[in-house]
Formats: sequence, C-alpha cells, structure tokens
Amino acid sequence: DTGVSQNPRHKITKRGQNVTFRCDPISEHNRLYWYRQTLGQGPEFLTYFQNEAQLEKSRLLSDRFSAERPKGSFSTLEIQRTEQGDSAMYLCASSSVPYEQYFGPGTRLTVT
Amino acid sequence: AQKITQTQPGMFVQEKEAVTLDCTYDTSDPSYGLFWYKQPSSGEMIFLIYQGSYDQQNATEGRYSLNFQKARKSANLVISASQLGDSAMYFCAMREGSNYQLIWGAGTKLIIKP
Repeated sequence: DTGVSQNPRHKITKRGQNVTFRCDPISEHNRLYWYRQTLGQGPEFLTYFQNEAQLEKSRLLSDRFSAERPKGSFSTLEIQRTEQGDSAMYLCASSSVPYEQYFGPGTRLTVT
Repeated sequence: AQKITQTQPGMFVQEKEAVTLDCTYDTSDPSYGLFWYKQPSSGEMIFLIYQGSYDQQNATEGRYSLNFQKARKSANLVISASQLGDSAMYFCAMREGSNYQLIWGAGTKLIIKP
C-alpha cells in the first residue's frame, strides 16, 4: 500500500531562486492538500485540490506561490523568488473523503 | 482568537502510564471534525483518531481514545499504556463545516521515560 510521496525531501536554495516540489498522493485519493510547517508550530493550510480543480487557497499563498494538479494526479508547488521566510517544511496530504488526511514525509526547504 | 488551543507545550510520562493530551477548540459551526495527529522526529504526520461533532460516542482506535466534551469544547487525546515509541509531537486539528482545510494547534511534545 503506497502512501503519499514527496520529492525532494530536502532542498537548499539561495534567496531569489525558484524551487518546485512534487507530491504524489495515494492513488485512489481525489483530494490533495498543501501545508507549510515552521519549526515548533503546527501546519498552516496553503491550498486544496479536488481532482484537478484548485478549490481553496489560503491568503498565505502569495503571488510567488503557485500550485498545480494537472490531470488530477500528482501536484507541484512552485515558489518563485524565494525569501528566507519561506524556509519551512512543506507537507502534502491526500484523502478520499473530507475526513482523515494522509500526509507525506514533507519537503524541507532551506533558503540561504 | 485561537481556534485550537493545546496548553501543554511538553509532557514527561513514565512508560506504561496513561497520558492525556489537552485540546480545546472554538467554532460556531455546528458541523465540525476534530483530529489528532502524531509527528515523530522523522517529520511525517501520522493520523491517529477522528471525532465528528455529531458522533454520539467517543472515538477509539486501539490505545488511543478521544475524550470529547462538546459543551466544554474539549477533545482530549488519551493514550493508554504508553510506550517509548509514543514519544513525539502531538497535534490537535479541526475542520469546520464544508471547509477542507485543517486548522491546527501548536502541538504538545510528549516524552515517554523508561
């Protein structure tokens, strides 16, 4: 039973560079979520997809952030012109019903 | 105002003892769901237990149970017979109405002592 996978697991980038993360949900799950978690805090919601449609987007998701889910399978989260404040763990989750969400291992981003 | 409050930043518990992790929530929506997740040092968020606002009975999953007190707006997690592997961060989260996002507490760091 394959869980949610995320790549890369770690990313170090210089300020101003663009980065892209990928999330592969559990295959039968049509709902996909992105969260951001900074050290010592609970996750913060970023965006939500049902199939390929992006249905909800947090105001935390500035213009520098964009997420896609072409064909309703995997999803990508891109951050343009990264800033040091973007350093965090980026978590992806998926679900088949709006109840429990199953999380991937996360991508840890460090912006230097 | 905080929607999810976890008042215990850290807890030490002796192995094999039961432990209660506190969570209070704030919502005016009559339909909501409450979740507990465990996050070990490896970072992966692991779903533990779910309680719906209309569920009549407290949720249980193995050694985990949720003490749901609706009038007090509390949803405490009880872990029976704690094990060393239970050492982790524990997060309480809520979904309100038809919103899809989860709103999270700040977490409680649980350390089980041998």
